[in-house]
Amino acid sequence: EDKVVQSPLSLVVHEGDTVTLNCSYEVTNFRSLLWYKQEKKAPTFLFMLTSSGIEKKSGRLSSILDKKELSSILNITATQTGDSAIYLCAVGNTDKLIFGTGTRLQVFP
Amino acid sequence: EAQVTQNPRYLITVTGKKLTVTCSQNMNHEYMSWYRQDPGLGLRQIYYSMNVEVTDKGDVPEGYKVSRKEKRNFPLILESPSPNQTSLYFCASSPHSNYGYTFGSGTRLTVV
Repeated sequence: EDKVVQSPLSLVVHEGDTVTLNCSYEVTNFRSLLWYKQEKKAPTFLFMLTSSGIEKKSGRLSSILDKKELSSILNITATQTGDSAIYLCAVGNTDKLIFGTGTRLQVFP
Repeated sequence: EAQVTQNPRYLITVTGKKLTVTCSQNMNHEYMSWYRQDPGLGLRQIYYSMNVEVTDKGDVPEGYKVSRKEKRNFPLILESPSPNQTSLYFCASSPHSNYGYTFGSGTRLTVV
């Protein structure tokens, strides 16, 4: 059975800290790995990583795909209170995206 | 503006009363999907559609129906809702099944 596991489940930090969120997967016919941020309602797209693009960066956020270890990390540097959200990892195969249960990040001033 | 539009945003209904949640996208996407999100279980796929008139079951299809008569619309039908279908529902669309999805705003459904 395909599965995506995220860790930790929850993380509480102070503004300015750097955090690393983990995602591991066992998915047949892997095509892509995606990261989403979910604040109040709908998830919003952050990054997509594939075999041809294993590292992405946008501002303070960056992500790396390790196809050998079947995992990915999402790094957030100099965290801000606006980074507080649930971060979802999803892995795409030929049919669909399979989502992890998410990491809840809380950033306090 | 490119978007996925779901309606209604909130719905409280009684057990057994048929309901439909509508979903429409304006991006000419081939792929559409419905998910439900429950605490501790994450996003689970209910049904998906690769194209018009093509639909397939996801991981939790029991108690739900869908149709894809037009490319832009993908309604979710609950013929006889039960309390265990109380959840937050998301419609999503994408150019491809494993590409970045655009999500609708969600429908919070409560079945009493």
